[in-house]
Amino acid sequence: AQKVTQAQTEISVVEKEDVTLDCVYETRDTTYYLFWYKQPPSGELVFLIRRNSFDEQNEISGRYSWNFQKSTSSFNFTITASQVVDSAVYFCALETGNQFYFGTGTSLTVIP
Amino acid sequence: NAGVTQTPKFQVLKTGQSMTLQCAQDMNHNSMYWYRQDPGMGLRLIYYSASEGTTDKGEVPNGYNVSRLNKREFSLRLESAAPSQTSVYFCASSRTTSGSIYEQYFGPGTRLTVT
Repeated sequence: AQKVTQAQTEISVVEKEDVTLDCVYETRDTTYYLFWYKQPPSGELVFLIRRNSFDEQNEISGRYSWNFQKSTSSFNFTITASQVVDSAVYFCALETGNQFYFGTGTSLTVIP
Repeated sequence: NAGVTQTPKFQVLKTGQSMTLQCAQDMNHNSMYWYRQDPGMGLRLIYYSASEGTTDKGEVPNGYNVSRLNKREFSLRLESAAPSQTSVYFCASSRTTSGSIYEQYFGPGTRLTVT
């Protein structure tokens, strides 16, 4: 069975702090994709990153970075020097066999 | 480009009524999806279509039907609405090539209330 777990339901940080959002996935497939999406208060879903199961390189994009570790089935997301505009719900998702499985999301509040 | 469009944005139905949610994309994507989002549940896949003419069940297909009318359009039908189908519905599309899945682009959502 495929599953994505985002154990952190809600996180609050003060502006400029770093924050890591955890994502743990389960699948027996060897070929799969992992994604992160952002859902700001306005409700739309915004793509952040895609990673395939054969590419364990970490990635940095501005203040955002992602750590993919197959050994622990984790794909964690770190925001450095958080800003109020980062306040949103963040979803981790797993794709395998044309099906997508989303975690329940982590609601991040950045306090000014 | 409009991306992914959905109609309507809001809808209120009485139990037992039927309706169709419309979705269209102008990005020439092969794959299209329907999700529902409920508080605390994340997004759950209802149905997907990997290509024109094909549809497959997702995690929560009961009570829904879909039609992939052409490459651009993918509709979701509720034949007899139930209060448990109160949710926000998102349509999405993605490019796929042999062996590779790319990111999904989502529509703005339809907020459906069934009373």
